[in-house]
Amino acid sequence: ILNVEQSPQSLHVQEGDSTNFTCSFPSSNFYALHWYRWETAKSPEALFVMTLNGDEKKKGRISATLNTKEGYSYLYIKGSQPEDSATYLCASATGGYSTLTFGKGTMLLVSP
Amino acid sequence: NAGVTQTPKFQVLKTGQSMTLQCAQDMNHEYMSWYRQDPGMGLRLIHYSVGAGITDQGEVPNGYNVSRSTTEDFPLRLLSAAPSQTSVYFCASSKRTGPLNTEAFFGQGTRLTVV
Repeated sequence: ILNVEQSPQSLHVQEGDSTNFTCSFPSSNFYALHWYRWETAKSPEALFVMTLNGDEKKKGRISATLNTKEGYSYLYIKGSQPEDSATYLCASATGGYSTLTFGKGTMLLVSP
Repeated sequence: NAGVTQTPKFQVLKTGQSMTLQCAQDMNHEYMSWYRQDPGMGLRLIHYSVGAGITDQGEVPNGYNVSRSTTEDFPLRLLSAAPSQTSVYFCASSKRTGPLNTEAFFGQGTRLTVV
């Protein structure tokens, strides 16, 4: 079982701060890297799916980059808002059927 | 569009009882999967299916059975519930494009307690 590691485990920022999280994954047998946003009492929702080395994706104030050669991805949030408070999960897709292996997540709290 | 529908939302079982968690999706997705979420752990894959009639084990399959008789449905059966199976269970589905799965759509989750 490959390990997907996320850091930091949790983060507390003030409204307006920009922040970033890291996801590291084994680069062998790599197919794709997924990012999900998981609000309390809800289900995870997809943010990005990235497949190519050097991929950069953006959705509003949230963006992500991918380095498949060194096995890491960064998620950036610009100008954090209280509604960004959630756990952010990354998952690496590997194997013949691209099964997902999830990291433990980064819990973000944004205070007004 | 209902997406992924998972039932029940909550369940309490006694040790040794069996039950089935239901999962249905209306997006015609080929790939469906079951995960469990435990404190301090990431989502862990129990079983998955790449199409009707095809299932395979994930990381933590022991104590669980699945079947996929239709594209829409992917039930998870607990054969003889144990306290170690107390967890939150999520069903998810994805569309397949070649060897890749697109983003996963998750059900609402089932909080299961085994006493």
